[in-house]
Amino acid sequence: DVKVTQSSRYLVKRTGEKVFLECVQDMDHENMFWYRQDPGLGLRLIYFSYDVKMKEKGDIPEGYSVSREKKERFSLILESASTNQTSMYLCASSLTGQPNQPQHFGDGTRLSIL
Amino acid sequence: AQSVAQPEDQVNVAEGNPLTVKCTYSVSGNPYLFWYVQYPNRGLQFLLKYITGDNLVKGSYGFEAEFNKSQTSFHLKKPSALVSDSALYFCAVRVYRNSGNTPLVFGKGTRLSVIA
Repeated sequence: DVKVTQSSRYLVKRTGEKVFLECVQDMDHENMFWYRQDPGLGLRLIYFSYDVKMKEKGDIPEGYSVSREKKERFSLILESASTNQTSMYLCASSLTGQPNQPQHFGDGTRLSIL
Repeated sequence: AQSVAQPEDQVNVAEGNPLTVKCTYSVSGNPYLFWYVQYPNRGLQFLLKYITGDNLVKGSYGFEAEFNKSQTSFHLKKPSALVSDSALYFCAVRVYRNSGNTPLVFGKGTRLSVIA
């Protein structure tokens, strides 16, 4: 089975801090994704990566950046955390960019910005 | 705009009764549709997908989904609901970007409660 691991289940940070969320997958997947999940809004795509050092903006990239230096690891960076970035963050991966491939998810990081 | 819609925030059903969770889609090109389930404090688990072929797709845990092109729908179904099916369900569709990449876009989710 595919294993997508997010480094923290719960994280509390302060406004203005630079925050790093880490995600690792163990199945040599090409594509990796970051979503945030908010009640009533479902999952919204922040950024995704289709290869090492390659990235593409999702629907809500403002205030975020990403890094993919190695194939198995995809980091989400909050440049200067704000309270409206308090949310559940979900990382996912898929084997390729082919549209028939499902995405596999980690268990999420619940981030609180105080 | 390419998207999916889940018209019901909440669905309640008695244990043993059939259940349906609704999803409609809007996408340019061929639709690639997915259903996921989320249990409390967990990530999303893949249930099933429609790519092409039979309109009735079978997936995990006894779930199935019916693709209807004329109604642009992809409803999730189960003949006999279990209390353990209570969870949050998401419909998703691959959207086509100018870059050629096709990330998944999700609906807002439907909370299913199965009552004993």
